[in-house]
Amino acid sequence: LAKTTQPISMDSYEGQEVNITCSHNNIATNDYITWYQQFPSQGPRFIIQGYKTKVTNEVASLFIPADRKSSTLSLPRVSLSDTAVYYCLVGGGYNKLIFGAGTRLAVHP
Amino acid sequence: EADIYQTPRYLVIGTGKKITLECSQTMGHDKMYWYQQDPGMELHLIHYSYGVNSTEKGDLSSESTVSRIRTEHFPLTLESARPSHTSQYLCASGDRGEDSGELFFGEGSRLTVL
Repeated sequence: LAKTTQPISMDSYEGQEVNITCSHNNIATNDYITWYQQFPSQGPRFIIQGYKTKVTNEVASLFIPADRKSSTLSLPRVSLSDTAVYYCLVGGGYNKLIFGAGTRLAVHP
Repeated sequence: EADIYQTPRYLVIGTGKKITLECSQTMGHDKMYWYQQDPGMELHLIHYSYGVNSTEKGDLSSESTVSRIRTEHFPLTLESARPSHTSQYLCASGDRGEDSGELFFGEGSRLTVL
């Protein structure tokens, strides 16, 4: 199982773009990269998933370099409601999905 | 909206009691998971299943047991609850497929053992 490393915490201000990078040096060929958001007392919520290059949806973008040993979640123009913990996971298919410590993002007014 | 349900949402119980946390999903997902999470801490995988009659232990040792007799149902049981079992338990499900890292989570069951 690929282990992931993320910053423990980040701070930002409303309206700014936030980039959270995750390292996964031991990613396997068939592993996908998935990001989740979690608010206090709630279960994590899926944000975005990718395999390589760039993926974009209505809430975020995911950048994956060619070697796939890292990935960057980009949140455009964050608001106070984006304050949460963000988790990077590597795996998929019939692999068990292990959550790491995540990144606590605090968005300030 | 994800169609995955957990009951009870909150449970306060005395030491030594047997409890079962229910988890049901109506999406026909093969994969189901139980995670345990203390406030402000990371999620720990305690059990998972890839289909009927398939159950595996996760990375965090747990005294709980699970069963998967029906696709939609994945209950977690503690035969004798202890204060150390106090935590939030989150159930999740996911579709089959190599590219399916997307999990749908229930709202959680918060267990307090006195």
